[in-house]
Formats: sequence, structure tokens, C-alpha cells
Amino acid sequence: AQTVTQSQPEMSVQEAETVTLSCTYDTSENNYYLFWYKQPPSRQMILVIRQEAYKQQNATENRFSVNFQKAAKSFSLKISDSQLGDTAMYFCAFNKDSGNTPLVFGKGTRLSVIA
Amino acid sequence: DTGVSQDPRHKITKRGQNVTFRCDPISEHNRLYWYRQTLGQGPEFLTYFQNEAQLEKSRLLSDRFSAERPKGSFSTLEIQRTEQGDSAMYLCASSATITEDTQYFGPGTRLTVL
Repeated sequence: AQTVTQSQPEMSVQEAETVTLSCTYDTSENNYYLFWYKQPPSRQMILVIRQEAYKQQNATENRFSVNFQKAAKSFSLKISDSQLGDTAMYFCAFNKDSGNTPLVFGKGTRLSVIA
Repeated sequence: DTGVSQDPRHKITKRGQNVTFRCDPISEHNRLYWYRQTLGQGPEFLTYFQNEAQLEKSRLLSDRFSAERPKGSFSTLEIQRTEQGDSAMYLCASSATITEDTQYFGPGTRLTVL
């Protein structure tokens, strides 16, 4: 069975600073995908960034980037130049095969960006 | 089409009652997923469909739960004889199997069982 662990229940960061959210996972699959989803307060979940396990290059999306360490089964999210709108729950998630399979989520990290 | 929609957004019911939720996926998305999210937890998978075929059900989905996607478009999730432990946010997501496999989530239906 696949599991996803987020060891930081809550984090805070000053506006314009950089913050890193941690995620580790466990799987015996060789082909899989990793995701970070953002869930703002009382709003729906949206995809922040995704990483295919077969790609060695770390994914980036504007201010968001990941550090994917396949051997260590680690997938951290770095948010640069934090903005107040980044305040949200962040969930790390995993799925196998093509990506069109059910997601396994971690428990989430609540990020607060402070002005 | 503006995204995945769910109805109702909130539902309060008494223990023992039946409830039904609806999810309308993004147009032409083949796959539709149901997840449940309790307070302080990440979403947990319940079941998913490829068009009208139900591909997998989680062990979390007891026999009081049933889901359908009769015409391969919208889906319904019914909970019979609700229990207080069913109180949660029920999330629906959809994805297109060919063009893009990202799962897009709806706003959820928050169920409170009194």
C-alpha cells in the first residue's frame, strides 16, 4: 500500500520569504506521479505542481518548485517570494501508473503567510 | 464550462436518514472520483468511474454507500442510514484520460449528521 507523510502540521512564513514544505512517501511502484495541491480556506482544492517519477529534473511552476529525491522517497515543495494568497492547506499526493488513478494524500500542512 | 460542480454545498441531516449528493464533472472528462475529507485530514479515496463503469471501490465505502454515473456524465453518491461518523466533506474530482490526467476538484459537499 502507498502512504504519504507530511510531518509538519503547521508552518508560517513572512511575506516575500521562502518556505519549504516536506513530504515523504512509500511505494513499491516504479512508475508514479507526485503532486502538491493547495486548499485555501473554504475554497476548493487546486493543483500547484506535479512531478513524474521517471523525470530526474525537478518541476517548477513560477514561484513553486519541488525537490524530488527518488531514492529517499522525498518530495518537498519550495515556495519563493511568499504572498498572502499562499495561505492555505497544502497536501502532498501520490498516484501510480498514468496519473488517472485515485490519489493518496498526506494529512496536509497548514501554511500561514504573515504580512 | 467553469469546472467541477457539486450540489448541495451543505447538507445537515439526522442520523438514520438517507442523503444523496450530485457531482457534475468538467465536460468530456472520462474519469470521475469521489473522496471524503474529515477535519484535519487529507482526502481519502472512496470510488471512481471511467465513463459509466465503476472501476474501484475503497474499503472505506461500506454497503451503506452507493455511487452511480448512469450516463457517463454526472454522478451521484448516496449514503443510506447515515451515522454521525459520516460527517465529512465529500469531494468530487474529474480528469480526462487522453489529453490531460490532472484531477480537478469541485468545491465539495459538507455533510453534518446530527
